[in-house]
Amino acid sequence: DIQMTQSPSSLSASVGDRVTITCQASQDISNYLSWHQQKPGKAPQLLIYDASTLETGVPSRFSGGGSGTEFTFSISSLQPEDIATYYCQQYDNLPSTFGQGTRLDIK
Amino acid sequence: EVQLVESGGGLVQPGRSLRLSCAGSGFRFNNYWMNWVRQPPGKGLEWVANIKADGSDKYYVDSVKGRFTISRDNAKKSLYLQMNSLRAEDTGVYYCVRDLKARYWGQGTLVTVSS
Repeated sequence: DIQMTQSPSSLSASVGDRVTITCQASQDISNYLSWHQQKPGKAPQLLIYDASTLETGVPSRFSGGGSGTEFTFSISSLQPEDIATYYCQQYDNLPSTFGQGTRLDIK
Repeated sequence: EVQLVESGGGLVQPGRSLRLSCAGSGFRFNNYWMNWVRQPPGKGLEWVANIKADGSDKYYVDSVKGRFTISRDNAKKSLYLQMNSLRAEDTGVYYCVRDLKARYWGQGTLVTVSS
């Protein structure tokens, strides 16, 4: 199975800051990568798929990039409602696999 | 509106079995890969199993191979997970998820394996 290494595991930032999370795949996955947001007690929600395509209805402050083995996820201006845990997920090779998650909170 | 509703979770003793179900609506069920994803209490997400739209291909994470079986009934728009020889480490919330991008998630059903 493909291993997904996500960093950092936790992150504290101020409202309005730019925040970036990275995800590294153990082998080339092209652009078959999604990013999900999970708020406490809720099911995850898809934000970005195919590495950089914003899901319908997701605010434009969220963005993704990369291909191959190196990927990034960014929030251009952190908002209080963005407090959550974020996961990357590859779907190039099955079974799919997730990164360990990044817990984001407000400083 | 796409809806995925899981059922069948509960408290079960180690070594016993449990069958989860997921009812899909609001989309053409037989067009999509379907998946089970789980989350142990306080921990991250783990992909458990995938099944192709027509049921012809199935994939499992190593930790459940030989114990869990994913299946589907497209006529009933339903997905299943038969879980045998359950262990304490199988405890968690189990989510039904549509397609490989994981675009839609159910609300989850809690499975607790404990004596």
